[in-house]
Amino acid sequence: QKEVEQNSGPLSVPEGAIASLNCTYSDRVSQSFFWYRQYSGKSPELIMSIYSNGDKEDGRFTAQLNKASQYVSLLIRDSQPSDSATYLCAVNPPGSARQLTFGSGTQLTVLP
Amino acid sequence: DVKVTQSSRYLVKRTGEKVFLECVQDMDHENMFWYRQDPGLGLRLIYFSYDVKMKEKGDIPEGYSVSREKKERFSLILESASTNQTSMYLCASSFGGTMNTEAFFGQGTRLTVV
Repeated sequence: QKEVEQNSGPLSVPEGAIASLNCTYSDRVSQSFFWYRQYSGKSPELIMSIYSNGDKEDGRFTAQLNKASQYVSLLIRDSQPSDSATYLCAVNPPGSARQLTFGSGTQLTVLP
Repeated sequence: DVKVTQSSRYLVKRTGEKVFLECVQDMDHENMFWYRQDPGLGLRLIYFSYDVKMKEKGDIPEGYSVSREKKERFSLILESASTNQTSMYLCASSFGGTMNTEAFFGQGTRLTVV
C-alpha cells in the first residue's frame, strides 16, 4: 500500500463549481499535512498546510483533516480556469520529521 | 518570501558525464532536499541534508551523491550520467524541527541525458 494515495484524475469541473480533491495516508501517527499546486512544467507551490482535525480556510481554499479516517481533502470554491493544475498531497510521516512523502497528484481541469 | 534557486532551468548532458546541479536558499533553512519527478512516478526523494556536511539517503540514491559545504547551498552530483537519469530535478528547503515542515521548492532543472 502506498503511504499517500490520491486519485490521479483527471478531474474536470465547470468554472464556478467546487472542486474536491482527496488524499488518504497509511500511517495513523502522521502529524503534518500539506497541499501543493503544480502547473505543467513548473515546480510545486505550497498552498495549504493543516495540522489539526477539522477545517482550515484560506480564501477560496479549504483544507479538511480527519485523522481518525486518515483522510485529508482540499476544496476549491468558485473554481477558475487558472486553478487547472496538478494538486499534490504531502504528509510528514512519523520518524521522518524533516521529510515529506508525496502522493502522485490529482490533475484538475476547470472548464470555462 | 522564501527563495530557492536552482542553477539551471534546462540542461543537456552526454552519457558518462559528471553533472552538477546546484541549489541555493536564502531563508537560513536547516533542511534541504533533492527530488526527481517523472510522469506516473511522482516526486521521489534522492537525498536530503539537515545540517552542513550532513546527508541522508532518500528512496532512490543510487547513481547520485550530494554535497553541503555551506548551509545555504546543496549540490546534487550525477557521477556518471545515464539516460535513465533524464528527469525533472527539484530542490527544496524547510525549517528545522519536527513541526512546520512545509517545504519550498526551486524552479526545477529539466535534465536530458543523451
